[in-house]
Amino acid sequence: AQSVTQPDIHITVSEGASLELRCNYSYGATPYLFWYVQSPGQGLQLLLKYFSGDTLVQGIKGFEAEFKRSQSSFNLRKPSVHWSDAAEYFCAVGPARAGGGNKLTFGTGTQLKVEL
Amino acid sequence: NAGVTQTPKFRVLKTGQSMTLLCAQDMNHEYMYWYRQDPGMGLRLIHYSVGEGTTAKGEVPDGYNVSRLKKQNFLLGLESAAPSQTSVYFCASSYPPLGQGRVGSNQPQHFGDGTRLSIL
Repeated sequence: AQSVTQPDIHITVSEGASLELRCNYSYGATPYLFWYVQSPGQGLQLLLKYFSGDTLVQGIKGFEAEFKRSQSSFNLRKPSVHWSDAAEYFCAVGPARAGGGNKLTFGTGTQLKVEL
Repeated sequence: NAGVTQTPKFRVLKTGQSMTLLCAQDMNHEYMYWYRQDPGMGLRLIHYSVGEGTTAKGEVPDGYNVSRLKKQNFLLGLESAAPSQTSVYFCASSYPPLGQGRVGSNQPQHFGDGTRLSIL
C-alpha cells in the first residue's frame, strides 16, 4: 500500500533562515511526487512536482525539492524563508503512469510558523 | 478564471439532516475528486470521478454519495449527517492523463477553497 510520512507536525523558523520539510514515501510503482501548500482558509496550491529526470526540482515561490530514491524521500527546501511562507505543507504521492483515476495519497502535513 | 468553486463555504447541520455540497470547475477537467481534511490526518479521498456519469469509491466512502451528471459539476451528498462527518471538505479536478502508460502522463490536481461542515 502506498503511504506518505511527514515526520514533523510543526516547524518554527526565523524569517530569513533556511527551511527543510521532510517527506518519506512508500510506493510500489514509479511515483509521481508533489508538494502542496495550504494557507489558512484556502485550498491547496501546487508548489512543485516530480516524476523523473533531474532529482532537484524547482517550484514556485522559491521552493525546491530533492528526490532521493535510495532514501524514498522528497524533501522540500527554501534558502530564505519569508513571513508569508507560514502555512501548512503537504507532500503527496500518486501514480506516474495513467490508470486508476490518478489518485493521490497525502501526508498528514507540516505546519510552518515563521518568527519575525 | 474561477477554477474550482465549492458551495457553500460554511454549513452547520444537525445530526440526521441531509445536505449536498457542490463542486464546479470551469477548466474542462475530466477527473474530479472529493476529499475530507481532519486535523492530524491530512487529506483522505472520499469519492472520485473519471468522467461524466462515472463515480468510484475512494479511501473513506461510507456515509457519502456522489453524482457527476455534468462534466463541470461533482456533487457530494450526506444522506444522514453524523458528528463524525464534521470536517473540511475539498474538491479537486484534473485533466486526464496524457496518453496511456507513459511515465509522467498524470496531471496535477487543482483544489477549491473548501467547505467547512459542522454537525451537531
